[in-house]
Amino acid sequence: DSGVTQTPKHLITATGQRVTLRCSPRSGDLSVYWYQQSLDQGLQFLIQYYNGEERAKGNILERFSAQQFPDLHSELNLSSLELGDSALYFCASSVRSGTGNNEQFFGPGTRLTVL
Amino acid sequence: DQQVKQNSPSLSVQEGRISILNCDYTNSMFDYFLWYKKYPAEGPTFLISISSIKDKNEDGRFTVFLNKSAKHLSLHIVPSQPGDSAVYFCAASGHPYLDMRFGAGTRLTVKP
Repeated sequence: DSGVTQTPKHLITATGQRVTLRCSPRSGDLSVYWYQQSLDQGLQFLIQYYNGEERAKGNILERFSAQQFPDLHSELNLSSLELGDSALYFCASSVRSGTGNNEQFFGPGTRLTVL
Repeated sequence: DQQVKQNSPSLSVQEGRISILNCDYTNSMFDYFLWYKKYPAEGPTFLISISSIKDKNEDGRFTVFLNKSAKHLSLHIVPSQPGDSAVYFCAASGHPYLDMRFGAGTRLTVKP
């Protein structure tokens, strides 16, 4: 158990809909990262938040957005869903300690199926 | 664009032998490299890391080698055990705590 929780575990929805994925980081971790893993694809970095502010952006579509709240949990919003958005979405967290170790702890993922 | 590449989608080795997983990267600004292991239905878990000031890091049966001039790193598992069967992801970033780029993963199967 990494200490990172993600809800829901599974989500089935239709094209054109909007969903929200939720992530609670490990206690004390200030950074939250979102990744997408599609079939036969590696983990694609989407976006990172640190203490409520966006820190880095990867291959995130304009239809997707995220935020990190004062209690440090994060939500990933996916809108106008397409079939190709079906994937596993992972959240990870890390603590900024200045040691140079940037190990991230991953949640179990949310499996999104768009029909 | 794929800045981190794992060209072997799968690898099968016999229990007790060495497993060598390879990873290539294109961005010369990457300074931190990590390996993650992923079992089905679980999130990836951190395995071992190396920074660019080193060329080798060892942790028990796991050793990571970094060749910066070739932009290549590898993970050696010796001896391999059936419980090592998983998907292994290579990851790299240019700065701690900033966005990390992952490879597509290599599925390792260790046969008893």
